[in-house]
This record gives sequence, structure tokens and C-alpha cells, in this order.
Amino acid sequence: AQSVAQPEDQVNVAEGNPLTVKCTYSVSGNPYLFWYVQYPNRGLQFLLKYITGDNLVKGSYGFEAEFNKSQTSFHLKKPSALVSDSALYFCAVRDMGSGGYNKLIFGAGTRLAVHP
Amino acid sequence: DTGVSQNPRHKITKRGQNVTFRCDPISEHNRLYWYRQTLGQGPEFLTYFQNEAQLEKSRLLSDRFSAERPKGSFSTLEIQRTEQGDSAMYLCASSPHSGTGDYEQYFGPGTRLTVT
Repeated sequence: AQSVAQPEDQVNVAEGNPLTVKCTYSVSGNPYLFWYVQYPNRGLQFLLKYITGDNLVKGSYGFEAEFNKSQTSFHLKKPSALVSDSALYFCAVRDMGSGGYNKLIFGAGTRLAVHP
Repeated sequence: DTGVSQNPRHKITKRGQNVTFRCDPISEHNRLYWYRQTLGQGPEFLTYFQNEAQLEKSRLLSDRFSAERPKGSFSTLEIQRTEQGDSAMYLCASSPHSGTGDYEQYFGPGTRLTVT
């Protein structure tokens, strides 16, 4: 079965410093990987995806993620954190299932706190 | 606003009552998903529609839950005889046909259900 792990419940970083939010995955076949962000009392907002091609993918709001097949990881990164980046971040993997449909399997989430 | 919309945003109900939620997807998206998110967890897949056909249901979807998408546009999720364990955020998402190469799902703001 497909699964995603986010090993850190919370990441703390000072504003202006680089940030990394970790994600590892377990899939059969080629992974389709996603990062979403959730602000309080809001739905999930798509940040970026890896389907194929370049291992470094760029997304919204200056975020990027590095796909590493040998380490089965897809860590989210940003060179310089902003206080407004403070939110809950979810990594997800596509699960084709027996029917071949694109449901997403989410990790438990990592809370990012950026301090001024 | 052309995003996914959900109504109501909040619902408080007494145990044993029935509730119905509505989701309006992005208009050109033919795929629609329902997820449930409990506190401290990532969203969990409930069910999937392609146009008006319900093609996959999670084992989380007990027989008290029913979902419809009668004309392939908006969808409803009904919970009968609610239980306190049903308290959660119910998220709706939509995506275009995968033939477009877009695999990400776009989420609505969610309906927060509290069963007292």
C-alpha cells in the first residue's frame, strides 16, 4: 500500500533562515508526489508536485521540493522563511488503487512555525 | 471566485440527527473527491466521482454515509444518525481529467461538523 511519512510534528525556524520540511514515501511504481499547505480554518492549498523529470521542482510562494528516489524522499524547502509561511504542511502521494483512480494519501502533517 | 466551494462551513448537530453537506467543484473539473480530516491528522479519502458516477468508496464510508453527484456538477455528502465520532472537517476536492496532465486536486474550505 502507498504511504507517506512526515517525521516531524513541528519545525521551528527563524525568519530569513532556510527551512526544510521532511517527507518520505513508500509506493509501488512511479511516485506522484504533492505538497499542500493549510492555514487555520481553511482548506488545503496546492504548492507543488513531482510527476516526472527534474528532481528539483519549484512551486508557489518561493517553495521548492527535491525528489530523491534512492532515499524515497520529497523534502519541501524554501531559501528564506517568512513569518507568513507559518502553517500546517502536508505531503501526499497519489494512490491509483485497484480502480486506477487518483486519490491522495496524506501524511499526518508538519506544523511550521517561523519566528520573527 | 472560481474555486471549490462548500456549504455550510460549520455545522453543529445533536447525535442521531442527519446532516447534508454540499460541494460545488471548479466548473470544468469532472473529478470530485470527498475527504475527512480529524484533528492532528492528514485528510483521509472517503469517495470519488467521475462525472456523475461514484467509482470508489473507502472502507471509512460506513452505510450511514451516502454521497451523490446527480448531474456531474455539485455533490452532496449525507451522514445519517450522526455519532460523536463523525465530528471532523469534511473536505471536497476537484481535478480535471488526467489526460490534461494535471494530477493535483483543488480543495474547498471544508465543512466542520461537530456532533454533540
